[in-house]
Amino acid sequence: AQKVTQAQTEISVVEKEDVTLDCVYETRDTTYYLFWYKQPPSGELVFLIRRNSFDEQNEISGRYSWNFQKSTSSFNFTITASQVVDSAVYFCALSDPDSGNTPLVFGKGTRLSVIA
Amino acid sequence: DTGVSQDPRHKITKRGQNVTFRCDPISEHNRLYWYRQTLGQGPEFLTYFQNEAQLEKSRLLSDRFSAERPKGSFSTLEIQRTEQGDSAMYLCASSLIDQVFGPGTRLTVL
Repeated sequence: AQKVTQAQTEISVVEKEDVTLDCVYETRDTTYYLFWYKQPPSGELVFLIRRNSFDEQNEISGRYSWNFQKSTSSFNFTITASQVVDSAVYFCALSDPDSGNTPLVFGKGTRLSVIA
Repeated sequence: DTGVSQDPRHKITKRGQNVTFRCDPISEHNRLYWYRQTLGQGPEFLTYFQNEAQLEKSRLLSDRFSAERPKGSFSTLEIQRTEQGDSAMYLCASSLIDQVFGPGTRLTVL
């Protein structure tokens, strides 16, 4: 069975600090996809990134970066120079081989509070 | 606005009543998903469709729940004989590749 664990329930940082959100996953599939979504206070889930299991290259998008390590089954998310607008709940998710086109298994989320 | 829309955004009902939610996906998306999210948890998969065909139902989807997507466009999720444990946010998503989520319908069962 697939499982996603986000051990950090809540994190608080001061604005401009860097912060890393951890994600550990379990799957028997050799091919799978990993995702991060952001859920701001408004409630709507916002897609951030999709990564397939064959691509272990780190990805950077502006202040966001992702570190995928198959050896430790982890897909961690780092926000550099955090801002108040980054305050949200962040979810890591996993799907089976059919890209993002199959039901997602979500972790419980990490609530990030960025304090001015 | 070309996003996923859901109606109503909030629903308060009494235990034992039936409720129906609607989801309008992004028009070119062929897959549509329903998830449920309770406080402090991540979304949990309920069911999904490809066009009008219901491809999979979670074991979370009891007999009181039914979903339809009659013409492969909008979808409805009905809960019969609601229970207090049904109180949650019901999320709809649609996809061609990556799932785009709607704003959700928050259900409160008194």
